[in-house]
Amino acid sequence: DAKTTQPPSMDCAEGRAANLPCNHSTISGNEYVYWYRQIHSQGPQYIIHGLKNNETNEMASLIITEDRKSSTLILPHATLRDTAVYYCIKLNDYKLSFGAGTTVTVRA
Amino acid sequence: DAGVIQSPRHEVTEMGQEVTLRCKLISGHNSLFWYRQTMMRGLELLIYFNNNVPIDDSGMPEDRFSAKMPNASFSTLKIQPSEPRDSAVYFCASSQGSGGFTDTQYFGPGTRLTVL
Repeated sequence: DAKTTQPPSMDCAEGRAANLPCNHSTISGNEYVYWYRQIHSQGPQYIIHGLKNNETNEMASLIITEDRKSSTLILPHATLRDTAVYYCIKLNDYKLSFGAGTTVTVRA
Repeated sequence: DAGVIQSPRHEVTEMGQEVTLRCKLISGHNSLFWYRQTMMRGLELLIYFNNNVPIDDSGMPEDRFSAKMPNASFSTLKIQPSEPRDSAVYFCASSQGSGGFTDTQYFGPGTRLTVL
């Protein structure tokens, strides 16, 4: 079962939107896309998840393409506290298979 | 609301000693997951419980590792005897439901284990 594909790193300016891409071309019809982040020395923190519709919560927005083969996590106004490793995960039943993620560095 | 609680936060022990890690689930949650994170292997699922019953222990490395849920809100992960290669950060996570596609898992702060 192939994991998702994310860029290894990206920088973002404080106060600007951060757009994090994820490729999940092998996703099956009933698999959700989950996003977590892990700030240094902390446990993974849930951000958002979706199946096929776009989703928004107080932390972020999730845009899923119509064919569901890719998605983008949007942090609307990045702050220094958003510096973390961001994981895009296909939830296969109960298993969260974490890949390497994208290391996001927010710069002042 | 209290999140998932883990103790101890840090543990340093010597090879051959028994180590017990503890986890308290979020109130109302009935699924419990133990994960291990290392630089080499990333985050790996060790074992999954639902309603106190182990559902999937295929990720448990070997017989030296054991996990229990003595009650609905508490779990332990025991390593006996411990070895240096067990050094890692161990996380537990809980979710509400049967661990299906929409059951969000919430993680604790982790226990950093160092085996000398």
